[in-house]
Amino acid sequence: DAGVTQSPTHLIKTRGQQVTLRCSPKSGHDTVSWYQQALGQGPQFIFQYYEEEERQRGNFPDRFSGHQFPNYSSELNVNALLLGDSALYLCASSVGFEQYFGPGTRLTVT
Amino acid sequence: KQEVTQIPAALSVPEGENLVLNCSFTDSAIYNLQWFRQDPGKGLTSLLLIQSSQREQTSGRLNASLDKSSGRSTLYIAASQPGDSATYLCAVRGSSNTGKLIFGQGTTLQVKP
Repeated sequence: DAGVTQSPTHLIKTRGQQVTLRCSPKSGHDTVSWYQQALGQGPQFIFQYYEEEERQRGNFPDRFSGHQFPNYSSELNVNALLLGDSALYLCASSVGFEQYFGPGTRLTVT
Repeated sequence: KQEVTQIPAALSVPEGENLVLNCSFTDSAIYNLQWFRQDPGKGLTSLLLIQSSQREQTSGRLNASLDKSSGRSTLYIAASQPGDSATYLCAVRGSSNTGKLIFGQGTTLQVKP
């Protein structure tokens, strides 16, 4: 049984560009959450998707948007990239209490 | 607003020592608390999850306790090994169980051979 998978592993973008990150949840999981982890910090909650709708959102600007597909996979989109968006982006899936995290996508904005 | 704090930020111990990592949170109305391990540049691995009604959970050499009333949790690691070197994060979920986890900044542990 594959765990949570994320793609790509690493990504380098230029300021002002747009990026899309992808996440496939663990088999049987219907809820996907996204987190941003800056270097040396704990992860910060971006938003959560359930039944293809955004269920909860953290304190992130509208440049951050997402989508969940009927197969429960999810995308995170970030527009107008800033240097401060450089971070490890983590996806977590769940059904019930416990969240299972993927390996993350390392985004570097230059 | 819930805030989670972990002390110390970094810890270095010789192999074989027993050690305790601390986590405190400001709002005691939590649904559960989870401890994670993170290796450099990698994702998070769940170690232990304690429901709000529980006092502790154990897995192998790890034991996590929860005192909701005082807003504290501890992660006890027995007989530490070099392979335990990693960053340990605690996270709480609010009582609404909406799934949002609020993390501390982590404790980076180095176990020297």
